[in-house]
Amino acid sequence: EVQLVEAGGGLVQPGGSLRLSCAASGFTFSSYWMHWVRQAPGKGLVWVSRLNLDGTTTGYADSVRGRFTLYRDNAKNTLYLQMNSLSAEDTAMYYCAREGKVATLDFWGQGTLVTVSS
Amino acid sequence: QSALTQPASVSGSPGQSITISCTGTSSDVGIYNYVSWYQQHPGKAPKLMIYDVSNRPSGVSNRFSGSKSGNTASLTISGLQAEDEADYYCTSYTSRTTWVFGGGTRLTVL
Repeated sequence: EVQLVEAGGGLVQPGGSLRLSCAASGFTFSSYWMHWVRQAPGKGLVWVSRLNLDGTTTGYADSVRGRFTLYRDNAKNTLYLQMNSLSAEDTAMYYCAREGKVATLDFWGQGTLVTVSS
Repeated sequence: QSALTQPASVSGSPGQSITISCTGTSSDVGIYNYVSWYQQHPGKAPKLMIYDVSNRPSGVSNRFSGSKSGNTASLTISGLQAEDEADYYCTSYTSRTTWVFGGGTRLTVL
């Protein structure tokens, strides 16, 4: 069974940093591109970032480019999102998702909540 | 990248059909057949319902169907059931090698 389990969320002050992780199981992690998608409270889904198989090619939304870094450890079957210079606008549930077929997010984790507040 | 445009809400009675539209541009929906639809119940993770405009993943009811014309994609749900009540989001790959979601549509089953 495919499972994606996010962790690392919590309360952080504006300007602070946080690292999220997404532990994958039930599939060959190194064979899939991976994504992060976020959802502010009561709002819609927003794509954040995407990473290729070996971690050498990334893509970011304009709102996080230069502040967020996506990387992976295929030996540990884990995806990471390093988030720096956080602001209140980054407050959201963060979901990791697997890109199954091209451009299709076929499995999602349950999310981890990030709250940026003083 | 502006979000794809979806109606904020739609509603229908059990057994009826509804259609949710998703309007993009010639930089996303209009040039790629990489349009997907996701269902999200309150407090839950999104679930893939349609991919590549009109394909259903294994296990998704054939009451769900998708289509596209020009810059607008559509999700149709036939034979509405109470459990279909949820938020629905479309998404498309874009020419900037990013993804863009729609703002979401709340489906109410009356």
